[in-house]
Amino acid sequence: NAGVTQTPKFRILKIGQSMTLQCTQDMNHNYMYWYRQDPGMGLKLIYYSVGAGITDKGEVPNGYNVSRSTTEDFPLRLELAAPSQTSVYFCASRYPQGQGSTEAFFGQGTRLTVV
Amino acid sequence: QKEVEQDPGPLSVPEGAIVSLNCTYSNSAFQYFMWYRQYSRKGPELLMYTYSSGNKEDGRFTAQVDKSSKYISLFIRDSQPSDSATYLCANALLGGSQGNLIFGKGTKLSVKP
Repeated sequence: NAGVTQTPKFRILKIGQSMTLQCTQDMNHNYMYWYRQDPGMGLKLIYYSVGAGITDKGEVPNGYNVSRSTTEDFPLRLELAAPSQTSVYFCASRYPQGQGSTEAFFGQGTRLTVV
Repeated sequence: QKEVEQDPGPLSVPEGAIVSLNCTYSNSAFQYFMWYRQYSRKGPELLMYTYSSGNKEDGRFTAQVDKSSKYISLFIRDSQPSDSATYLCANALLGGSQGNLIFGKGTKLSVKP
């Protein structure tokens, strides 16, 4: 059982470059999330999606974009990388409340450094 | 005001101690309360969850929710070095398209042998 898979695990970007962080889940979860985690700052919600074709901003969406064309995939796009986007990025997924366990499953994270 | 507040610590206790971790939240609409545990360089994993006020026990862990004061606690009895991790509280709304899942900053716990 793969669960939530994030790629890449590590990446170094130069300022102004762009990249896509990939996230895929095989649990048929409707809800998917992107968080960033900075040291001592907990998890900050960037974007989330309640189903294919539906996305919404979280607490810190600026500088990021997402799409949700399928239930399985929820890529996060950085268009013009900035040093402030150096962080660990986590993707998560779960069922909506009332449909089985509401536990959110997390990927192993992507460590991004912008230099 | 951030929706979920949590003291980041760090918290250091001797093995066998009782640990108390706490969060407060501001949105009275939250109905689903969770505690996640995160080991170093890993993704968070669900430890406990509850939908209602009161206590929920699972082995050495007890989750407590007081909706009237918007206060969430996690108690760890007979703490072990393997409990050393960051503990994050999280809240969510229920129903419809309310998919938002909000985390506190996390409290880093170290249990010394």
